[in-house]
Amino acid sequence: EIVLTQSPLFLPVTPGEPASISCRSSQSLLQSNGYNYLNWYLQKPGQSPQLLIYLGSSRASGVPDRFSGSGSGTDFTLKISRVEAEDIGIYYCMQALQILTFGPGTKMDIK
Amino acid sequence: DVPLVESGGGLVQRGGSLRLSCSASAFSFSNYWMHWVRQAPGKGLVWVSRISNDGSWTDYADSVKGRFTISRDNAKNTLYLELSSLRVEDTAVYFCVRSYYTYDLDVWGQGTTVAVFS
Repeated sequence: EIVLTQSPLFLPVTPGEPASISCRSSQSLLQSNGYNYLNWYLQKPGQSPQLLIYLGSSRASGVPDRFSGSGSGTDFTLKISRVEAEDIGIYYCMQALQILTFGPGTKMDIK
Repeated sequence: DVPLVESGGGLVQRGGSLRLSCSASAFSFSNYWMHWVRQAPGKGLVWVSRISNDGSWTDYADSVKGRFTISRDNAKNTLYLELSSLRVEDTAVYFCVRSYYTYDLDVWGQGTTVAVFS
């Protein structure tokens, strides 16, 4: 089973400031087709998760362009260029190269 | 229309059984893989099972293999999860999720709650 670790686990943020979350995989998520099978999700309080980024860096439909994903192989980063109050919640990375697994989550809250 | 609506959750004794349903609308259900993902109270997301668009392929997490069975009825636009030999640690909100390929889990239902007591 591929294990994902995230850091930090808690992230206090200031609206208008940038933020970033790291996701590290126990195995490379880069397939021979050149795609990294790593997604990012945000679960807002009391809601179901929503897809932000898929295949490492592709923004899902309707996701604001302040969200971006980068990385390859075993190290990935989700960046928010300017945090807004509506961005608070728990961010999860998920790998889809093998049987799906999720990271432990990073809880983002306003300072 | 809410694309995915789960039902069938409830309170069940350890060792008991339950069948969850997920009704799909507003998209071509038979074109999509479908998944079940669960979330224990205050915990993170855990993938449970998936089924191919035509039902010919299924996968399970080791923790539920042999106890849970995923199925679908494309004529009824409905996904199912049969839960048996339930354990207290199966207590969770169960989400159904669609993906066009195997990796792009993009639309999630609101979840249905399963509580197993001893």
